[in-house]
This record gives sequence, structure tokens and C-alpha cells, in this order.
Amino acid sequence: GAVVSQHPSWVICKSGTSVKIECRSLDFQATTMFWYRQFPKQSLMLMATSNEGSKATYEQGVEKDKFLINHASLTLSTLTVTSAHPEDSSFYICSAPGGRGINEQFFGPGTRLTVL
Amino acid sequence: GDSVTQMEGPVTLSEEAFLTINCTYTATGYPSLFWYVQYPGEGLQLLLKATKADDKGSNKGFEATYRKETTSFHLEKGSVQVSDSAVYFCALSDRGNTPLVFGKGTRLSVIA
Repeated sequence: GAVVSQHPSWVICKSGTSVKIECRSLDFQATTMFWYRQFPKQSLMLMATSNEGSKATYEQGVEKDKFLINHASLTLSTLTVTSAHPEDSSFYICSAPGGRGINEQFFGPGTRLTVL
Repeated sequence: GDSVTQMEGPVTLSEEAFLTINCTYTATGYPSLFWYVQYPGEGLQLLLKATKADDKGSNKGFEATYRKETTSFHLEKGSVQVSDSAVYFCALSDRGNTPLVFGKGTRLSVIA
């Protein structure tokens, strides 16, 4: 099956710094990728849809200036948490659709962000 | 809009017990249905899926049947193991290029 990777798998940073998380589709192309956030013991919350070659679409309530998304190529989307604060600590997960005719999403392993 | 409702957890079972996790959905079209599993500290793994009515998805002893008449996709396993302890998410997708709609997740703990 298709593989999606995320890097880093975990990161600890100081408050006020920025953190970049990469999401890569390893063996297929993804014009669209999705970014989710998951709080402890809760479900996944869709943050934004990343579109290759155009601006990301953010869900209501998600600050686009704080969570910068760049979909630079058909295999890479990045999420940058700018000026991170402790409340941004969370588990961030990306996914990519499997492609034409494949009604399935492939998920990355997630990135755990801890902001001190 | 589309939605998924799954039974509240946590669910605690003894090893070899029968498992059912209920999932119902609301959708305007004919969605594909999925069960994902999340082990502690890890991302989501696809457990099984069904793309049309009456399809049965199965994997690792788990099964779920797409019931259009009851808009349900209940997850079952005849004999759970300690290693099945995880959080299970029911989800649907209307089209391949749209994000999944998830249920809230059900935490399963299996004790020896």
C-alpha cells in the first residue's frame, strides 16, 4: 500500500520558536494532503487542506497565520507552527488520498509536538 | 453535513471475549466506510474498509458489514487479545479527495 511519512516524529521546543513538520507521500503523488490535530484521548480534528500549487484551505477557527502550510511539490506538504506556545502542544497527523479511483486515505505516523 | 457516531468508551473486556463497537453514519450520498486503529503513541492504521452496501470488510479477525438500511458499520471480533488494546475510529469518505469524517473514537482495553 501507499506510504506517508512524517518528520520529525517528535519535537520539543521552547515557547516562541517555530517548528516545521514535513509530510511526504513516498510512492505516490498527492495534489491534496490533509492536516489533523489530535488532543489526548480525543478524535482527530481537521485543521486544513493542503493543495499543491495553491493556498491551503483552513477549517473554521484555525489560525492560518499561526499554522502555515506549504505544498511545494506533489509529494511534500509542510506545516509550520509559528511562535509556538504550550497550548499548541499536540499530536499532528497528515494524510493523503490514495489517488484516482482509490477512495482511501493514507496516514502519516504523526508528530508529537511539546512546547515548553 | 456528514457525520459518524460511535459508541462511547472506554470498553474493557477480558481476553477471548466477543467485541462489538457500534458505528452509525449520516451521509448524503453513498460513502465508503472505514475502521482505523490507533495504538498508544502511534498514528492511525487502516483496519478494514467497505465501499458499498452489503460489503464486508475484514482483517486480523475483525469484521464490519456496510448496512445501508440501518446506516451502520459495526466492528466485531469473536475473540479479543490483549494486543487489540487500542483506540478504534469509525470514519467515512464521500469522495476520494476529501478528508475523512471521523467518529470520536472508542478506547478498548483487553485484560488477561
